[in-house]
Amino acid sequence: QKEVEQNSGPLSVPEGAIASLNCTYSDRVSQSFFWYRQYSGKSPELIMSIYSNGDKEDGRFTAQLNKASQYVSLLIRDSQPSDSATYLCAVNIPQKLVFGKGTKLTVNP
Amino acid sequence: GAVVSQHPSRVICKSGTSVKIECRSLDFQATTMFWYRQFPKKSLMLMATSNEGSKATYEQGVEKDKFLINHASLTLSTLTVTSAHPEDSSFYICSARQGMSGNTIYFGEGSWLTVV
Repeated sequence: QKEVEQNSGPLSVPEGAIASLNCTYSDRVSQSFFWYRQYSGKSPELIMSIYSNGDKEDGRFTAQLNKASQYVSLLIRDSQPSDSATYLCAVNIPQKLVFGKGTKLTVNP
Repeated sequence: GAVVSQHPSRVICKSGTSVKIECRSLDFQATTMFWYRQFPKKSLMLMATSNEGSKATYEQGVEKDKFLINHASLTLSTLTVTSAHPEDSSFYICSARQGMSGNTIYFGEGSWLTVV
């Protein structure tokens, strides 16, 4: 099993809708989880970090973590065309940060 | 947030030559830096982890003699692609962990390498 798995998509949602991105991980000792956004040809930028079970909200973004299920998700409310990008889930496995393959999101005007 | 600067942002080199890419943490000390490469439309692949003052730890399949990593100070790590070949053309991205126990990792802007 790969260390971090994401549905590669592409995921397409209309403007104003909720986009839901999912990620599972294999290492139970992981304690830190991150969502990065990457525009084409650019470096990833950090959107959210989450360390505890439950929800964490920041503006239109909500990260959800369930350590028992080894599952982390990102919800984007009121999606905008500018949210169109690849979203990378990252898990802090001791000593390194491991990325999923990313989910490409397209928000249609 | 913290800033990580990478240089050069784009470089073209001839096959067989070596290229050095620098990664600097501008406003924090980075005891650990990471080097990734990314092919078009593919995910980030961790190449190596470098800790200040010690040898880098390379991921399986990454040639340490080809991709030389030096982390000589708490704010600077360099990646040298030696005897570059066209298949080394890629997007190379560094990232830095803030402090010894910091959880957040910040990325540089990335460097596009084209080997002709």
